[in-house]
Amino acid sequence: QLQLQQSGPGLVKPSETLSLICSVSGDSIRDSSHYWGWVRQTPGKGLEWIGSVFHTGSGSGYYNPSLKSRLTMSVDTSKSHFSLRLASVTAADTAVYFCVRQAWTGYFDYWGQGALVTV
Amino acid sequence: QSALTQPASLSGSPGQSISISCTGSNSDVGSYSYVSWYQQHPDKAPKLIIHDVTDRPSGASDRFSGSKSGNTASLTISGLQAEDEAHYFCSSYTTSATWVFGGGTRLTVL
Repeated sequence: QLQLQQSGPGLVKPSETLSLICSVSGDSIRDSSHYWGWVRQTPGKGLEWIGSVFHTGSGSGYYNPSLKSRLTMSVDTSKSHFSLRLASVTAADTAVYFCVRQAWTGYFDYWGQGALVTV
Repeated sequence: QSALTQPASLSGSPGQSISISCTGSNSDVGSYSYVSWYQQHPDKAPKLIIHDVTDRPSGASDRFSGSKSGNTASLTISGLQAEDEAHYFCSSYTTSATWVFGGGTRLTVL
């Protein structure tokens, strides 16, 4: 059974960079039929897709256009984890962040436990 | 990208059937059969219950079913049970190669 375990600081100062890691266990991160991504949730805006990357190449994938200029996403197959970096954060980036596994047709079939990040 | 439109709240009695709508546009729901639905209980991560409009993942209750007509997708829950009380979200692929979610529907079981 695939498991996604998130880690990272819960408090980030304005203008700094938010960094989260999602560790994958129970299946290979090199799975060619899935993307690895991030979704965030705020009380006001609901669920928001952040981006999805493939396991080959650094950052090869799809990004939310509204966040793309501040986003860095990558997969480290040697450590079986993938990461999110969001630069120049503001209070609007305060949210619960979920890491997800995403199928080719776009559905999110596995979710991490979620992590509240407060800016 | 605009969020998909869902009713903010719905309610039903045990044993009833209810449907939750998810309205998009020709740029998302209307263009692809890549609509999925998620159930979220308080302080939990969302759980996939329907994908690719009508397909149920292994482990999802067969009381959940999905459909689509034009720019609107629907989730139907039959034989409503107390455990179905939760938030429900839809999601769709878009013509911009992005994914968009609905605003969510709070379902109350009376």
